[in-house]
Amino acid sequence: EVQVVETGGGLMQPGGSLRLSCAASGFTVSSNYMTWVRQAPGKGLEWVSVIYSDGSTAYADSVKGRFTISRDNSKNTLYLQINSLRAEDTAVYHCARGRPNWYFDLWGRGTLVTVSS
Amino acid sequence: QSALTQPPSASGSPGQSVTISCTGTSSDVGGYSFVSWYQHLPGKAPKVMIYEVSKRPSGVPDRFSGSKSGNTASLTVSGLQAEDEGDYYCSSYAGSNNHVFGTGTKVTVL
Repeated sequence: EVQVVETGGGLMQPGGSLRLSCAASGFTVSSNYMTWVRQAPGKGLEWVSVIYSDGSTAYADSVKGRFTISRDNSKNTLYLQINSLRAEDTAVYHCARGRPNWYFDLWGRGTLVTVSS
Repeated sequence: QSALTQPPSASGSPGQSVTISCTGTSSDVGGYSFVSWYQHLPGKAPKVMIYEVSKRPSGVPDRFSGSKSGNTASLTVSGLQAEDEGDYYCSSYAGSNNHVFGTGTKVTVL
């Protein structure tokens, strides 16, 4: 089955770090561009980051410098490293597969990150 | 990277049509033909309904259609059905490897 499954969320302290994982099956992560999108409680979807097949990356201004997107080709898994966690990082984080012409055709159900003291 | 503007809510009776607008700028919606629309039900994975302004992925009913004029894109759901109820988000490529989503619209089937 073609799918992506996110893990790694939880209750975190402000200032802490966290790494989210997105395990893919049925397709090769490194052959596609992959993205992270988050949704804060009661808010809309917010694009966070993208990694292309050539390994280049891009980030939303709101997370630049604190978030790092990466992948492990041997594990067919996408990651999102989040440092210096803030309360405003509280959200469900979805990973998604990108298609040519800039749309996302395969999404996971997400993993919840809660940042609170 | 400001969010695209959508109406907070839209509604219609079964069988009616509802249209959702998505307003951006010449740097995103108006500058590219890369507008997509997603249906998001609570606790579920978002699902792409329209891509490249007006194309439907395989399996999406032809009741869903998209269009664009200038800096505003639109999603129309014709022949509204109870299963269409949910949140809808537009998205656009915004240049320089950036993407932007809309503020979201809650569609209610009366």
